[in-house]
Amino acid sequence: SQQGEEDPQALSIQEGENATMNCSYKTSINNLQWYRQNSGRGLVHLILIRSNEREKHSGRLRVTLDTSKKSSSLLITASRAADTASYFCATDGETSGSRLTFGEGTQLTVNP
Amino acid sequence: KAGVTQTPRYLIKTRGQQVTLSCSPISGHRSVSWYQQTPGQGLQFLFEYFSETQRNKGNFPGRFSGRQFSNSRSEMNVSTLELGDSALYLCASSLVSVTGELFFGEGSRLTVL
Repeated sequence: SQQGEEDPQALSIQEGENATMNCSYKTSINNLQWYRQNSGRGLVHLILIRSNEREKHSGRLRVTLDTSKKSSSLLITASRAADTASYFCATDGETSGSRLTFGEGTQLTVNP
Repeated sequence: KAGVTQTPRYLIKTRGQQVTLSCSPISGHRSVSWYQQTPGQGLQFLFEYFSETQRNKGNFPGRFSGRQFSNSRSEMNVSTLELGDSALYLCASSLVSVTGELFFGEGSRLTVL
């Protein structure tokens, strides 16, 4: 079963706007990661946040983690058409063993 | 440094056949994991190999198998193909831990007719 669940499933915005995607998970984690996938391609790692961190930045990306609510959010600021992709959260739930469990993803479309 | 290489990129098989997919990890990476991605099920973990040993296995039938060679290259095999095996098969490598940052290949798109 999917540990992470992204929300919304699809998001369409205009260039320059901010995009926010959310991820909820069920069990305790050591870390949470976000990945990006262009259509039909492999996944690209964006950012990793550890369970003892609350916020992390990387360029135009901002990730927050709320372990009490078992949720994370990915904010992409000043979006570009090239940001159009699917975004997945991945968790290493303490009960899922040595593996990453991916959510079902948010399809982001940035319109020029 | 070269990325993760998967071959073949696309292939078409018929039901009952078998297929072997190959993955060459980033040089120095010892962990290789495999995922199946379908529109209905999303990304599902198949198995992970580390230093030629299967370290973890997902919930897939025995028709799905894999191995890792001494140079860390990995192969996965699917026997007696079913229509439902049509998917994008993704390989990912990491330095040591399979729960750290994963580096993915472009995938092998399998279509079963």
